[in-house]
Amino acid sequence: GAVVSQHPSWVICKSGTSVKIECRSLDFQATTMFWYRQFPKQSLMLMATSNEGSKATYEQGVEKDKFLINHASLTLSTLTVTSAHPEDSSFYICSAQSDRGSYNEQFFGPGTRLTVL
Amino acid sequence: GDSVTQMEGPVTLSEEAFLTINCTYTATGYPSLFWYVQYPGEGLQLLLKATKADDKGSNKGFEATYRKETTSFHLEKGSVQVSDSAVYFCALSVNFGNEKLTFGTGTRLTIIP
Repeated sequence: GAVVSQHPSWVICKSGTSVKIECRSLDFQATTMFWYRQFPKQSLMLMATSNEGSKATYEQGVEKDKFLINHASLTLSTLTVTSAHPEDSSFYICSAQSDRGSYNEQFFGPGTRLTVL
Repeated sequence: GDSVTQMEGPVTLSEEAFLTINCTYTATGYPSLFWYVQYPGEGLQLLLKATKADDKGSNKGFEATYRKETTSFHLEKGSVQVSDSAVYFCALSVNFGNEKLTFGTGTRLTIIP
């Protein structure tokens, strides 16, 4: 149980276009989902916290107008990279927080590799 | 701010060797500490955790002890297997209920038969 999927697993797009990444919790409901970004040989950096039915909370330095997050249901959050540029190329990872048990464990998706040409 | 420093990889060991991956942290308050593992093509999975000083987390033969005096949470395994090949991330969370995680850079481990 506690599986999180991401779609697509990789995407290549032209500069200036927008790309949407989906994060789904497959067998549990997640009130809270997180979006991370990972550069090569670097740690995961939290971008934003997404709560179902409310606006996402962005970390300092993350442009909320560029990285649009929608958490429309308890099993789906989306990250849209708007007007993508080559510097947005990265590995994007989501996680979903389960409220099962006494510990709010995060379950991670396999990640989406974005390449902007 | 909060940060996690873990030993850089890659680390290559022979099967049945002893493994140590060092992790130290800086945090305000009293963090919870975690080790996550990422197998090829999969998402990060929680390997073990410890929520207070002197706690020992253990799972699948891996252990890590929360050392407040040295601000460390080193990962150890007595005899590694080829199936342990993965990337290992040390992480902390200051707010137990919030679970905002701060990660180290990850250590790639390769076990050769």
